[in-house]
Amino acid sequence: EAGVTQSPTHLIKTRGQQVTLRCSPISGHTSVYWYQQALGLGLQFLLWYDEGEERNRGNFPPRFSGRQFPNYSSELNVNALELEDSALYLCASSLGTGETDTQYFGPGTRLTVL
Amino acid sequence: AQSVTQLDSQVPVFEEAPVELRCNYSSSVSVYLFWYVQYPNQGLQLLLKYLSGSTLVKGINGFEAEFNKSQTSFHLRKPSVHISDTAEYFCAVNPANAGGTSYGKLTFGQGTILTVHP
Repeated sequence: EAGVTQSPTHLIKTRGQQVTLRCSPISGHTSVYWYQQALGLGLQFLLWYDEGEERNRGNFPPRFSGRQFPNYSSELNVNALELEDSALYLCASSLGTGETDTQYFGPGTRLTVL
Repeated sequence: AQSVTQLDSQVPVFEEAPVELRCNYSSSVSVYLFWYVQYPNQGLQLLLKYLSGSTLVKGINGFEAEFNKSQTSFHLRKPSVHISDTAEYFCAVNPANAGGTSYGKLTFGQGTILTVHP
């Protein structure tokens, strides 16, 4: 069974640019979560999508946004990139919205903002 | 709100020695508890989880953890480590019966880097 996949693996952008990261969940999973792992800040929750709807959002500015498609894949968009957006962005998926549903993580996308 | 404290940022240990990685949490509601491992330049892999039942939980790669509700702890242990266990380990909680801003999100500790020396 394929795990969570993310693309691209790495990318480099400059300040002010926009970026789109992509995530495909485990087959059968309907919930997708996004986390940011920045140096010195640890793992922080960004967004949660289920059945195409945003269910929860972390403490991030509105220039971080996303969506979930009918096939449950998801995109994370970051506008007006800032240097501190440099981080590993991790996507996770779970079977549903139950609080005991385990989140399984993908390999991440490493974003560098110059 | 929930918070997780991993008491050691780095733990060096020799191969075949036992190891304990400590995790304490704070929450006003019941929580579900998880340990994840992150190998260099990779994502997170689930090691084990506590949802209910027996407080001693066994996971992959010979790891186990014990939930102690009175001490709000969930320490991770392995009786004999290997070089391949060198990685960063994260403790995380997910609140039970949560609403509002806590709903559905994992709160992570800052991580413990385990380095196994030959």
